[in-house]
Amino acid sequence: GDSVTQMEGPVTLSEEAFLTINCTYTATGYPSLFWYVQYPGEGLQLLLKATKADDKGSNKGFEATYRKETTSFHLEKGSVQVSDSAVYFCALSESSGSARQLTFGSGTQLTVLP
Amino acid sequence: DSGVTQTPKHLITATGQRVTLRCSPRSGDLSVYWYQQSLDQGLQFLIQYYNGEERAKGNILERFSAQQFPDLHSELNLSSLELGDSALYFCASSASVGGRGEQYFGPGTRLTVT
Repeated sequence: GDSVTQMEGPVTLSEEAFLTINCTYTATGYPSLFWYVQYPGEGLQLLLKATKADDKGSNKGFEATYRKETTSFHLEKGSVQVSDSAVYFCALSESSGSARQLTFGSGTQLTVLP
Repeated sequence: DSGVTQTPKHLITATGQRVTLRCSPRSGDLSVYWYQQSLDQGLQFLIQYYNGEERAKGNILERFSAQQFPDLHSELNLSSLELGDSALYFCASSASVGGRGEQYFGPGTRLTVT
């Protein structure tokens, strides 16, 4: 079945540092890929997405590129802020008609220190 | 604000009891998904409804059931509750056509079974 593997956390960075959170996936078809973010005490928010190979998703300074050859979708940000502290989830979705459940990675806790 | 609402926000109940969690999807979304988030299992897909019909089932226990009503709101029923059912339960919704698979999450219901 489908699966998503994320780098284990927690990750602690200083403000303005470069961020990479690794994500690799296993899927039978051609999934859509997502990054979701969960701030403390809140639900999941869609951060960015990519729906086909070589697509780059970007939002709020975060970027991730759909790499089919390496089955990866690593999240990057050039300069993190304290407000980026949250848990980040990589996810994939394979559609079968109108069935489109998400398969999530285990999440990576990011803490950014001032 | 994702536009997905969930009630109640918190629920505390005893083992053996039955509870109902409620979700209203974003305006116009026909699909509703339920997910469970726990420390040991992570984020797991439970079940999907599309326009009133069950479309996909994940790791949902037989003690759990769900339905989607004509006004498209959904309820997740959890019965014969056990300590291990304590978790965050999220509802998500997605558009019926297009949207390329992204789902929008509600704030969650935190269930504590004592």
